[in-house]
Amino acid sequence: DAKTTQPPSMDCAEGRAANLPCNHSTISGNEYVYWYRQIHSQGPQYIIHGLKNNETNEMASLIITEDRKSSTLILPHATLRDTAVYYCIEGSGNTGKLIFGQGTTLQVKP
Amino acid sequence: DAMVIQNPRYQVTQFGKPVTLSCSQTLNHNVMYWYQQKSSQAPKLLFHYYDKDFNNEADTPDNFQSRRPNTSFCFLDIRSPGLGDAAMYLCATSRDGRGANEQFFGPGTRLTVL
Repeated sequence: DAKTTQPPSMDCAEGRAANLPCNHSTISGNEYVYWYRQIHSQGPQYIIHGLKNNETNEMASLIITEDRKSSTLILPHATLRDTAVYYCIEGSGNTGKLIFGQGTTLQVKP
Repeated sequence: DAMVIQNPRYQVTQFGKPVTLSCSQTLNHNVMYWYQQKSSQAPKLLFHYYDKDFNNEADTPDNFQSRRPNTSFCFLDIRSPGLGDAAMYLCATSRDGRGANEQFFGPGTRLTVL
């Protein structure tokens, strides 16, 4: 079973930052936090991952709390093309398996 | 540029008629995964190959089988499709199954069972 908790849906205005929260209170020491997104009728797309430290790439930033029990994905300037289901996943460092939860449906509005 | 290719994109089969979905990759990755995604649900891992080593998820029905004849190709066989097997089937790859490895997903094959 998925071990992360996310709000089922969120709205964001175009051009504003989208902040997507995730709770992973049972995360173990060798598990990474991954974020993927799935645009309608496409395969999931990797966004970013982290272990302990905050991470940033060209798509997004990942803020992980010091106790690692929660994280926030930040899309700094959301566009209409960012409308998708966003999945926060605890990924095993031993097997690489991803167990998807229900995710957050982000709707970016003009 | 296509890295994970799934054919066909849409597959229609009849109840009980065996069907095979295919996946190929140009990334030379060691690990290949098959997921099932039913309507309005999250992807669910069915099994994965680490090189030639097959790893089945505990709750994957026996009706689902897989073959990986070489690094590039992986097949999903559904021996006797039921109506409940209608879904999007996603193939993914990763360079390695250990540590932090992103998975690269194909576009999926949408299976319809009549």
